[in-house]
Amino acid sequence: DTAVSQTPKYLVTQMGNDKSIKCEQNLGHDTMYWYKQDSKKFLKIMFSYNNKELIINETVPNRFSPKSPDKAHLNLHINSLELGDSAVYFCASRDAGYGYTFGSGTRLTVV
Amino acid sequence: KQEVTQIPAALSVPEGENLVLNCSFTDSAIYNLQWFRQDPGKGLTSLLLIQSSQREQTSGRLNASLDKSSGRSTLYIAASQPGDSATYLCAVTSSGTYKYIFGTGTRLKVLA
Repeated sequence: DTAVSQTPKYLVTQMGNDKSIKCEQNLGHDTMYWYKQDSKKFLKIMFSYNNKELIINETVPNRFSPKSPDKAHLNLHINSLELGDSAVYFCASRDAGYGYTFGSGTRLTVV
Repeated sequence: KQEVTQIPAALSVPEGENLVLNCSFTDSAIYNLQWFRQDPGKGLTSLLLIQSSQREQTSGRLNASLDKSSGRSTLYIAASQPGDSATYLCAVTSSGTYKYIFGTGTRLKVLA
């Protein structure tokens, strides 16, 4: 199946832990994104990579660090997790001239 | 700075009605606009993509229009069905950027 896939789907962890979310796309797209959807369901961009190069870095705490080993993968590592980091994190990819394709999301709960 | 607003925030209609969802954006220099639906606890499903040079796109019972000069897009749903119940999001890419700015969403409920 051609898609954007994220793992894990659910993540429950304690405050202070470090965790990673992985994203892979097999669509051949050049650009990948991480979005955060908060409790009010508002989607806000966090990062974007184009061909492994960081092109968008919104005002995000530096505890969040994206890593793109190749253009098909964009992982998100979060250090020292806080309660406020609880949200749904969506990965997406896009090819020039076309729209976005989103992953199914990772629901992160920090307790 | 691009801002995207969707009205209404929530809408409840009886099955069979035709309905219109609205999306407004403040900067008319856009590259494209995309409509999505999101079911509870799920990801985003793309519905329609309109490039800046286009005025409308159609897919089945859905029709999306774009008026760049007035900063508006509408999503028309014909003969609504209970399965259309979801949150509908519009997103805009401003010219010269790579990122989508999302609207606040419209929660639609179609009653059987």
